[in-house]
Order: sequence, then structure tokens, then C-alpha cells
Amino acid sequence: ETGVTQTPRHLVMGMTNKKSLKCEQHLGHNAMYWYKQSAKKPLELMFVYNFKEQTENNSVPSRFSPECPNSSHLFLHLHTLQPEDSALYLCASSQEGESYNEQFFGPGTRLTVL
Amino acid sequence: GQNIDQPTEMTATEGAIVQINCTYQTSGFNGLFWYQQHAGEAPTFLSYNVLDGLEEKGRFSSFLSRSKGYSYLLLKELQMKDSASYLCAVLDSNYQLIWGAGTKLIIKP
Repeated sequence: ETGVTQTPRHLVMGMTNKKSLKCEQHLGHNAMYWYKQSAKKPLELMFVYNFKEQTENNSVPSRFSPECPNSSHLFLHLHTLQPEDSALYLCASSQEGESYNEQFFGPGTRLTVL
Repeated sequence: GQNIDQPTEMTATEGAIVQINCTYQTSGFNGLFWYQQHAGEAPTFLSYNVLDGLEEKGRFSSFLSRSKGYSYLLLKELQMKDSASYLCAVLDSNYQLIWGAGTKLIIKP
């Protein structure tokens, strides 16, 4: 139990589909993150939200669109994805201002783009 | 550029000791993290080092040398459940986490 949940756990979609990933944190944190994890590659930070404001967008293609309606929920909207976007998408949260900003991760969504 | 290096895969025997190394070159340093990630699961926090030296936490210890840009994670009395990937990450001058690709540890009976 990490206090961060993600749905769905697995998703298969075609290149023309539109889908959304959901993340919810129950830890009272003020920052949330989307990461992409591909096999044998470092975690890639995609987006950061701090107090619901987006503070990082690491050159992510526009086919990925984040939404943070409140400090507990984070969405990643997907449309017209490419097969190379297949990966594990991890959500994390942390408390900004803490001494070392430990991030707590959700279990991830395994995305396959056909 | 910023870079974190750690071995791709290591194998060790149950009951033994293993050391997983991590070297880093980053713009600034505000601490180094080790996370454990079992296959198909979320990464979970193991340790944080910001000062030089060894931090011990049960069977796991983490060492840091800032002058050498080097850390290691030491796992003692290995158990089968320690089979996992171990991720090294550095908090840079902008307080952004820079991640290594992870070391897959295989424990054999």
C-alpha cells in the first residue's frame, strides 16, 4: 500500500483511440508527477504539478495531455499514440518543502499501442 | 549532460552479500536515493544520502562519496524476495530527480 493508486493497470489501444490514465494520491501531498518507464531505460519525467500548477513539461509530445483538477488527482489524456509510446506509465506524489522530497509511486499502467 | 550509471544486471546467491554501484555526473547535488522495484510493481523508497558516509538500515546499507560522485547499495543476508530492480536517482540543483536505468538483481538459491 503506497497511498497512490492508478487505473487502469493495463491498457491496449490502437493508434487512433483516445484514452485517459488516472492517478489518485491519498497522502495529502502537494506535488504529483507522470513518468514513462521503458525497458532498460531510466525513468523519464514527463510532467510535474505543484499545487495543481504545471511546473515541468519535459518536451513531451502533444499527444500526451495532462490534467490536474485538484491536488489529489492527476490524469494523462492520450490520443493518436505511436507504438513507441508503449511503456509503463508511473504516477508519483511528494510533499514539496520536505527535506528530501521522497516520491511515492503508484503501481503504474502498462500501456500497449498497436 | 546529466548521467547516472549503474550495472544493468547482477546475480548473487541467497544468504550472500551484494554491492550495487552507482556513479553520477549531475548539475548540482541535493541528495541520492535508492529505490527498489519488483517486477510489475511500483518503485519503493529504500534510502536517501546527502552526506558522505554509510547509512545502515537493517540488511540494507547505502554509502555516498560526493567527491567521487559515487554511491553503493549493500544488501546482506540475501533473500529470494530481494530479487528486484534497484534504481539510483540523484536530486540535482533544481531539485529534479535524475534516474539511472536500474540494476536488475537476480538471487539464486
